Amino acid sequence: KQEVTQIPAALSVPEGENLVLNCSFTDSAIYNLQWFRQDPGKGLTSLLLIQSSQREQTSGRLNASLDKSSGRSTLYIAASQPGDSATYLCAVTSGGGADGLTFGKGTHLIIQP
Amino acid sequence: EAGVAQSPRYKIIEKRQSVAFWCNPISGHATLYWYQQILGQGPKLLIQFQNNGVVDDSQLPKDRFSAERLKGVDSTLKIQPAKLEDSAVYLCASSLDRSGAGYEQYFGPGTRLTVT
Repeated sequence: KQEVTQIPAALSVPEGENLVLNCSFTDSAIYNLQWFRQDPGKGLTSLLLIQSSQREQTSGRLNASLDKSSGRSTLYIAASQPGDSATYLCAVTSGGGADGLTFGKGTHLIIQP
Repeated sequence: EAGVAQSPRYKIIEKRQSVAFWCNPISGHATLYWYQQILGQGPKLLIQFQNNGVVDDSQLPKDRFSAERLKGVDSTLKIQPAKLEDSAVYLCASSLDRSGAGYEQYFGPGTRLTVT
């Protein structure tokens, strides 16, 4: 059974810092990995999708990497801003028919102005 | 492009009552998912539809939960009878297809259910 772990569970940093959020998964036979952000009381916003054949994806100040063999992904946020404050969730799908995402519990990020 | 729509946004019911949630996916998206998110946890998949058919419902508590997707578009999720532990946010998501970048899932705002 696939399990996804996110470290740290919470993080508070001053505005302007670069930061890294970590995600690990137990079964390396994934089809893709997706990073989301969730604001309080809201649904999930997709940030980046990395397919299993890819090593990284970039969108603006965000960069996500994937190392399938070691079961790890990182989300790098450059020059953090208060608007980046949210919970960040990592999720994987194994494909092969059942495509539902298996999520970690998330990292609660606070960017101090 | 319109996103995934869900209603109602909030619902409060007493235990043993029934409740239904509605989802309208992004236009043209063949795959639809229902997730349950308990406070402090990541979402958990309940059921996945591909067009009209069920692909995966292995984590759906079938003694009380049911879901349907008529005509391959809108979907409803029903709970009958509700228990206290069903209090959660119910999220609907959709994806374009089942290849490559088409797997990217887009989520609606969710329905927050409180069972008292």
